[in-house]
Amino acid sequence: GNSVTQMEGPVTLSEEAFLTINCTYTATGYPSLFWYVQYPGEGLQLLLKATKADDKGSNKGFEATYRKETTSFHLEKGSVQVSDSAVYFCALRLELGGYQKVTFGTGTKLQVIP
Amino acid sequence: EPEVTQTPSHQVTQMGQEVILRCVPISNHLYFYWYRQILGQKVEFLVSFYNNEISEKSEIFDDQFSVERPDGSNFTLKIRSTKLEDSAMYFCASTLAGDEQFFGPGTRLTVL
Repeated sequence: GNSVTQMEGPVTLSEEAFLTINCTYTATGYPSLFWYVQYPGEGLQLLLKATKADDKGSNKGFEATYRKETTSFHLEKGSVQVSDSAVYFCALRLELGGYQKVTFGTGTKLQVIP
Repeated sequence: EPEVTQTPSHQVTQMGQEVILRCVPISNHLYFYWYRQILGQKVEFLVSFYNNEISEKSEIFDDQFSVERPDGSNFTLKIRSTKLEDSAMYFCASTLAGDEQFFGPGTRLTVL
């Protein structure tokens, strides 16, 4: 079956530190890959996406590259801010005859301290 | 910018009661979904809905659950007889086709 594995949290970083959150996946077919962010008390927001191998998604200083050879989609940011504190979910999406099914990882909580 | 909305934001109910969670998807979208997130756990797929019928459902989506699109704008999730373990955040999502799913802000369901 399809699954997403991401690193356990919480991850605690100082402001301006470099961030990496690892994500690997298993899937039948050719999924699209996503990172969603959930700020405290809020819903899911799409952070970035990549739809095919070697694509790089980027948004708000975050980026992730779709690596088919390693089945990975690691999230990175060069300099985190306190406002980046949230839970980050890696996800894959497969097209299934028109409709889609999104499979999420367990989420990684990021805490950025001043 | 169009967005998915959900009501209520928080629902508290007694065990055994029926609850209906409401969602208004983006107006021209065709595919609709419900997901749930038990506190501190991952987001889990419940059901997908297209052309007034269920496309796929997970093992979580048992006979206690049902979905409906009663009119041209609402998409509802009904839990017939709530259990303590139904306490979770429930997210609605919609998509036109072949593009990203847009998620609503969620309804937090608390079953006492």
